[in-house]
Amino acid sequence: SQTIHQWPATLVQPVGSPLSLECTVEGTSNPNLYWYRQAAGRGLQLLFYSVGIGQISSEVPQNLSASRPQDRQFILSSKKLLLSDSGFYLCAWKLLAGTYNEQFFGPGTRLTVL
Amino acid sequence: EDKVVQSPLSLVVHEGDTVTLNCSYEVTNFRSLLWYKQEKKAPTFLFMLTSSGIEKKSGRLSSILDKKELFSILNITATQTGDSAVYLCAVAYTGNQFYFGTGTSLTVIP
Repeated sequence: SQTIHQWPATLVQPVGSPLSLECTVEGTSNPNLYWYRQAAGRGLQLLFYSVGIGQISSEVPQNLSASRPQDRQFILSSKKLLLSDSGFYLCAWKLLAGTYNEQFFGPGTRLTVL
Repeated sequence: EDKVVQSPLSLVVHEGDTVTLNCSYEVTNFRSLLWYKQEKKAPTFLFMLTSSGIEKKSGRLSSILDKKELFSILNITATQTGDSAVYLCAVAYTGNQFYFGTGTSLTVIP
């Protein structure tokens, strides 16, 4: 069965510090991978998605970047965090093959920027 | 502009009540509509709907899609306190991308 891991679970960082959040998927190959952010009381905002190693699509201009160095690893980064980067960050995967496949979410990272 | 709108934003009911949550969408290249339940952490998958008029059912939860009128409903019968959560609606488009609504917060009071 497939599992998705995210770490850390919670993070408190000062403004201007760097960020690296990691997501890994087990039990599947060549998945689509996604990073979402959820602000308090808001829906999920798609930040990045990837259909393969080194292939990153960005949905919104922002202070963040993403990388996919391996098939089942997706990393969200920032060089200098802003207060507005606070939120709940979720990684998700779906099967690449086929159009009608649902997404499955990792446990999330709650980021607070002070 | 593509969008997904959920209503109501929040709902408080008593145990045993039946609730209906709504999701309307305007999305180019629609592929499927998905419902998720989010408690304290990550959303968990409930249903995926691709065809109009075919009800999907899981226990006390059921959902249906109307692709002509561009909406879906999620019904929960005989609600329990464990149903308290945010229910998210998402629309998949182009096969790879998803729009999410802002969710409906459901609180079930004993």
